[in-house]
Amino acid sequence: EAGVAQSPRYKIIEKRQSVAFWCNPISGHATLYWYQQILGQGPKLLIQFQNNGVVDDSQLPKDRFSAERLKGVDSTLKIQPAKLEDSAVYLCASSPRGRVNEKLFFGSGTQLSVL
Amino acid sequence: GENVEQHPSTLSVQEGDSAVIKCTYSDSASNYFPWYKQELGKRPQLIIDIRSNVGEKKDQRIAVTLNKTAKHFSLHITETQPEDSAVYFCAASIKGAAGNKLTFGGGTRVLVKP
Repeated sequence: EAGVAQSPRYKIIEKRQSVAFWCNPISGHATLYWYQQILGQGPKLLIQFQNNGVVDDSQLPKDRFSAERLKGVDSTLKIQPAKLEDSAVYLCASSPRGRVNEKLFFGSGTQLSVL
Repeated sequence: GENVEQHPSTLSVQEGDSAVIKCTYSDSASNYFPWYKQELGKRPQLIIDIRSNVGEKKDQRIAVTLNKTAKHFSLHITETQPEDSAVYFCAASIKGAAGNKLTFGGGTRVLVKP
């Protein structure tokens, strides 16, 4: 089966610029997650979608981060304006139904460097 | 919210020896505990998981144990091989009002020396 697709693979921007990441989950997966992984740390959940609705965005810095999942399939995560501390790998993951014991399928991530 | 602590942060073992990684969690309502392996530059992948109604689970050279009373769980890798070198993340999942939420530990970098 095709995996979770993410683009771009790498992105370098200057602080205060804007950036957007794209994710295409595994076909049929209802739940989509965006995680932020700072170097040397575990992934931190930013936002979780169930179909096209937001289930959890409690750790999303809403003053600068936004995300959408139109039509319950693809998703985009945007940062505007970016700060130095946003440098991280942004991982997208999906799972079939979002149940507690479901395996998460991760994409390869987008490595963001903010200079 | 849930907090997951993972130790050690780095672990170096000789090929053939065992490796043990320990995690503690804070929320007693957590009921699912997966372990993910992330090789350098690659995506995290699930290697084993355990539910709260089970005390131990084994899959070939990998085993996980869970102590609900103490709120800690551990990953055991026996007969380590160079391909086991990676970063391992534990996680705890809880079903809340806003849906299921998976919280990861900080990771353990395992180096298997040949």
